[in-house]
Amino acid sequence: EVYLLESGGGLVRPGGSLRLSCAASGFTFSDSAMSWVRQAPGKGLEWVSTLSGGGSFTYYADSVKGRFTISRDNARNTLSLHMNSLRAEDTAVYFCAKSDDILTSFVAWGQGSLVIVSS
Amino acid sequence: EIVMTQSPATLSVSPGERATLSCRASQSVSSNLAWYQQKPGQAPRLLIYGAYSRATGIPGRFSGSGSGTDFTLTISSLQSEDFAVYYCQQYNNWPLTFGGGTKVEIK
Repeated sequence: EVYLLESGGGLVRPGGSLRLSCAASGFTFSDSAMSWVRQAPGKGLEWVSTLSGGGSFTYYADSVKGRFTISRDNARNTLSLHMNSLRAEDTAVYFCAKSDDILTSFVAWGQGSLVIVSS
Repeated sequence: EIVMTQSPATLSVSPGERATLSCRASQSVSSNLAWYQQKPGQAPRLLIYGAYSRATGIPGRFSGSGSGTDFTLTISSLQSEDFAVYYCQQYNNWPLTFGGGTKVEIK
């Protein structure tokens, strides 16, 4: 069974940094594209970033480009999101999600990690 | 950016009735369209991919149709566990985009 577990969320001041992690199990991690999708409180879903299985191709939403970096460690089955220059509008639950390939649907989701950006 | 528009925002349906949810793309996404269900406090769950293919374990009462710019999710006979928010998502182009969601509530 596919299992994704996010960690690393919390309260951070505007301009600060945070790193989210997603531990994966139950599938061949290196064969799967992995993404981050966020959901602001009471709002809809917003795609943030995607990384190909081998780690060669990265894609970002314009809202986070230049501030967030997605990475993966295929030896440890872990996905990360390094978030810098955080803003109040980055406050959201961040989900990691698995796809069979890039530009495909999200077939599995973690339970999410809450990031609050506030002074 | 492809804008995904869902309607209605809220749909009030009685258990056992049919629910029809719409999703429109601002430009063609071919059949690269997925539907997700999200219940309060939970992660989204994939229901439909490729516009009409049911994901693993999804009951037959859920069906998807459409291609190009207009898509429909139909729930043939609503069960109590189906009351939730439903999102469509295109994966034809970057950036990936979601619709604003349709909340299906008990009438």
